[in-house]
Amino acid sequence: SQTIHQWPATLVQPVGSPLSLECTVEGTSNPNLYWYRQAAGRGLQLLFYSVGIGQISSEVPQNLSASRPQDRQFILSSKKLLLSDSGFYLCAWSDTRNGGQYFGPGTRLTVL
Amino acid sequence: GENVEQHPSTLSVQEGDSAVIKCTYSDSASNYFPWYKQELGKRPQLIIDIRSNVGEKKDQRIAVTLNKTAKHFSLHITETQPEDSAVYFCAASNLPYPNAGGTSYGKLTFGQGTILTVHP
Repeated sequence: SQTIHQWPATLVQPVGSPLSLECTVEGTSNPNLYWYRQAAGRGLQLLFYSVGIGQISSEVPQNLSASRPQDRQFILSSKKLLLSDSGFYLCAWSDTRNGGQYFGPGTRLTVL
Repeated sequence: GENVEQHPSTLSVQEGDSAVIKCTYSDSASNYFPWYKQELGKRPQLIIDIRSNVGEKKDQRIAVTLNKTAKHFSLHITETQPEDSAVYFCAASNLPYPNAGGTSYGKLTFGQGTILTVHP
């Protein structure tokens, strides 16, 4: 069966510091991968998606970036965090056969 | 692009009652409609989905209906229990993918969410 991992689970960072969040998927090959952000009490905002190694599409302009160095690894980064970057970051993968997206456990980021 | 509207934003019911959450979508090409349940502090979990070639799908106490003509779909929860309390999100997508037009790639457009509270 497929499993999706994210780390760290929680993170507290000062404004202006860098960020690196990692997501890995097991049990599937060539998945579509997604990064979402969820502000407190709000909906899901798609940040990036990837259909293959090195292929990244950005949904919204921001100071975040994403990379996919391996088939089942997706990384979210920032060079300098802003207060507005605080939120719950969720990675998801989808099966190209049936369309459902499955979320990782998430990283709760607080920027102070 | 696709736009999904979800109503109501909050829903409060008594245990044992039914709950209905409705969503409308704008893109007639959308053909896949999942529903997610998100408990406080947890990840969204896929609870049921429907494709445009069927009008209704059931799984125990939950069911989803789809009206392609009107472009709306609904989640029905019967015999609600306190553990059904959560935020529910609907979503829409255009499958199969990768899309020959080079666009959707299975992207989901989510509704704004409904906070369901089931009172014991």
